[in-house]
Amino acid sequence: ETGVTQTPRHLVMGMTNKKSLKCEQHLGHNAMYWYKQSAKKPLELMFVYNFKEQTENNSVPSRFSPECPNSSHLFLHLHTLQPEDSALYLCASSQESLWSGGGNEQFFGPGTRLTVL
Amino acid sequence: GENVEQHPSTLSVQEGDSAVIKCTYSDSASNYFPWYKQELGKRPQLIIDIRSNVGEKKDQRIAVTLNKTAKHFSLHITETQPEDSAVYFCAAGGRAGTALIFGKGTTLSVSS
Repeated sequence: ETGVTQTPRHLVMGMTNKKSLKCEQHLGHNAMYWYKQSAKKPLELMFVYNFKEQTENNSVPSRFSPECPNSSHLFLHLHTLQPEDSALYLCASSQESLWSGGGNEQFFGPGTRLTVL
Repeated sequence: GENVEQHPSTLSVQEGDSAVIKCTYSDSASNYFPWYKQELGKRPQLIIDIRSNVGEKKDQRIAVTLNKTAKHFSLHITETQPEDSAVYFCAAGGRAGTALIFGKGTTLSVSS
C-alpha cells in the first residue's frame, strides 16, 4: 500500500456510539493532519501533528480526540457525536522542516464518509 | 493568523475557454502557494504550486501567478476540457509552526 490510507471508508454511527478513524501514511512524512469536509466549510483543518506532537487544535469540540502514536499513524476517536458532525473526514501528511509550517505538498487520504444518526 | 479568500465560488465556462481563479492571503510570511483539484468523490490532489521566489509557473495548460506585494495569486487554465470540471482549492503556508490554510474552493464546470 502506498500513499495515505484511511479506514473505514464509510461509517454510520449513533450519537451514543464510540468509534475511531484510522489514517496511515507510507511516505516517511513527519506531519499529519485531520480535516473535516462538508458543504458549508469545504476544508476545515481540525488537528495538526508535527513530529508526533500536536501543534494545532482549531477549536475542535472535545467529542473529537486525536491520537498520534508514531509519525506514520494518526487516529481520530469519536464519542457522543451530533448529526451536524456528519461529513467527510480527510487525513493528510507532509514533510515539514522545523523552520517552516505548511511549506510543502500535502498528500491526502481517500477520506472516511461519516454519518451520525 | 493566515486568512485565504478565494473567488469565485462557482465558475462555468465553455470547452476551449480559459478559466481564472483568484486568491488573496493575509500573512506576509507565507511563502508557499499550492493549488489542489478535487474531482467528485475523490481526494484533493496537488496540480501546481509556486513559491515566493518566483512570480509565475506554468505546466502545460495550467499556470499560476503570484503578486507578493499585493498578496494575491491566481490559477489560469487555458483550453478547458470537460475533465477539468472539479473543485479547485488554493492554499497559503510557510510560516513556522503553522499549517497550510485553504480557501473555500471554486467549483469549475466545463460544458462541451
